[in-house]
Amino acid sequence: AQSVTQLGSHVSVSEGALVLLRCNYSSSVPPYLFWYVQYPNQGLQLLLKYTTGATLVKGINGFEAEFKKSETSFHLTKPSAHMSDAAEYFCAVSYSGGYQKVTFGTGTKLQVIP
Amino acid sequence: GAGVSQSPSNKVTEKGKDVELRCDPISGHTALYWYRQSLGQGLEFLIYFQGNSAPDKSGLPSDRFSAERTGGSVSTLTIQRTQQEDSAVYLCASSKRALEGSGGELFFGEGSRLTVL
Repeated sequence: AQSVTQLGSHVSVSEGALVLLRCNYSSSVPPYLFWYVQYPNQGLQLLLKYTTGATLVKGINGFEAEFKKSETSFHLTKPSAHMSDAAEYFCAVSYSGGYQKVTFGTGTKLQVIP
Repeated sequence: GAGVSQSPSNKVTEKGKDVELRCDPISGHTALYWYRQSLGQGLEFLIYFQGNSAPDKSGLPSDRFSAERTGGSVSTLTIQRTQQEDSAVYLCASSKRALEGSGGELFFGEGSRLTVL
């Protein structure tokens, strides 16, 4: 079975500060890992994903995440927060088997303070 | 259309009534998911369809919930005898199979907001 844990349901940062959203996963096979973002009153969209290869992946809007197998983590970072980054962020895990149900974390709401 | 389409976007119903929510996935996507997003909660998995395989219904919260996918395309989620706790946004997503190189990326619809009075 696979699962995802997101630490912190709400995170507040000042504009221009580092954004760090934490995600830890559990998977018995090599995982595929994702971050999705949901802006207010919108659907979810993919921010970035890790499947294989380079463990540091870059996504849209300056976000990046690093797959650390030893720590079973896939934390999301952005060097400098913008007001437009205020949204809910979901970490998700799947795997490369034929049946690849995607399991989501409970989400982290990011507030950016001017 | 190019994206996942869901209807209705908003549905208000009375307790005890049945509702149907529709999802039209991206053409060619073999996998289709239903999730529920309640206020203050994360994404709750409901059901998963993959091609012609038997669906994974493990997330359906009760036997009042059912879903079907006709012809490997359009899906309908049905909630019978709705209860107030069913009020939520119901999200549909579709994807290619991971083996087709997409890595299982999901494409979401805008959701159907259900309010049970």
